[in-house]
Amino acid sequence: DSGVTQTPKHLITATGQRVTLRCSPRSGDLSVYWYQQSLDQGLQFLIQYYNGEERAKGNILERFSAQQFPDLHSELNLSSLELGDSALYFCASSPDSGRTYEQYFGPGTRLTVT
Amino acid sequence: QQPVQSPQAVILREGEDAVINCSSSKALYSVHWYRQKHGEAPVFLMILLKGGEQKGHDKISASFNEKKQQSSLYLTASQLSYSGTYFCGTESPDSNYQLIWGAGTKLIIKP
Repeated sequence: DSGVTQTPKHLITATGQRVTLRCSPRSGDLSVYWYQQSLDQGLQFLIQYYNGEERAKGNILERFSAQQFPDLHSELNLSSLELGDSALYFCASSPDSGRTYEQYFGPGTRLTVT
Repeated sequence: QQPVQSPQAVILREGEDAVINCSSSKALYSVHWYRQKHGEAPVFLMILLKGGEQKGHDKISASFNEKKQQSSLYLTASQLSYSGTYFCGTESPDSNYQLIWGAGTKLIIKP
């Protein structure tokens, strides 16, 4: 158990809909990262927040947005969903955004768009 | 630019050794290694920083050659529990603190 929690575990929704994925980082961790992993593919970095502010942006679509709240939990919002958005979405946390810190991954949310 | 991992997949018998490579075209600050078992979250193995330091984790060790911009992960006397996909993540001066992840190397250990 990494200490990072993600809800929900599974999500099935239809094309065109909007969903929100939630992540609670490990206690004391200030950085939250969001990743997308399509079936049997690598990890695609989406976005990073550090202490409530956006720190880095990766391959995040305009239909996706995220935020980190004062209690440091984060939400990833996916809208106008398409079949291709079906994937495993991981959030990870680390103590800082510095270069030497390892990331602790949550169990992931499996999103299925039908 | 995504680092290149090789091989893409490897099948071993329990007790055999394996080497997984990660190469980048960019100068690197650090290389991170993670293992992901099927259906599970990636788990941190180790970080290698500039300086060519070799680190170890049980029977798993790694090296980082910053001049060649590459890292290698060594799995010695592999155990069934080593099965999974290994990802390297690289950090470079222009990556803005992001880890750029390789496509992964799938390792299958057979008894």
